Amino acid sequence: EVQVVESGGGLIQPGGSLRLSCEASGFTVSSNYMNWVRQAPGKGLEWVSIIHDGGITYYGDSVKGRFTTSRDNSRNTIYLQMNSLRAEDTAVYFCARTPVRPLAFDYWGLGTLVTV
Amino acid sequence: QSALTQPASVSGSPGQSITISCTGTSRDIGAFNYVSWYQQFPGKAPKLIIYDVINRPSGVSNRFSGSKSGNTASLTISGLQAEDEADYYCSSYTTSGTWVFGGGTKLTVL
Repeated sequence: EVQVVESGGGLIQPGGSLRLSCEASGFTVSSNYMNWVRQAPGKGLEWVSIIHDGGITYYGDSVKGRFTTSRDNSRNTIYLQMNSLRAEDTAVYFCARTPVRPLAFDYWGLGTLVTV
Repeated sequence: QSALTQPASVSGSPGQSITISCTGTSRDIGAFNYVSWYQQFPGKAPKLIIYDVINRPSGVSNRFSGSKSGNTASLTISGLQAEDEADYYCSSYTTSGTWVFGGGTKLTVL
């Protein structure tokens, strides 16, 4: 069964750092694109970052230069390192898989809440 | 990376059809057929219901359909049911290699 589980959220002071984890099961993260998507309380979805199967990463404008996505193939896990956190980064952070085909977010985790 | 434009809310009676629009630009919706739609219930994770503009994942009701014309994509739900009441989001791949979501549409079944 395909599953992704996020962890690492919590309460952090502005300017602080936090690292989120997304552990996958039922598939291999290094053979897929993996994304972080966030949702502020009462607001819509905002795409945050993607790591391609080849390791290339892209980021949304609001987090570029502050957030870094990485991958540990041995743990089948991706990470989101968040630095210089701001109040506006407060959100539920979802991990979502994008298989090469279709190019969409087909499996999502339940999310982890980050409060700044 | 401006968000795609969706109506904030739509409503319809059971059995009716509704359409939710999603307007982007030539750098996202207009550039590729990589438009997808998601259904989200309160406190839950989003669920993929349409991908590649028109395709439904296995298990998604055929009452959901998608289309695209130029820079605007649309989601139509036919035979509206009370269980369809949820938030709906569109998304598109962009020419920058990034993704963008719409602001979301709250569907109310009257």
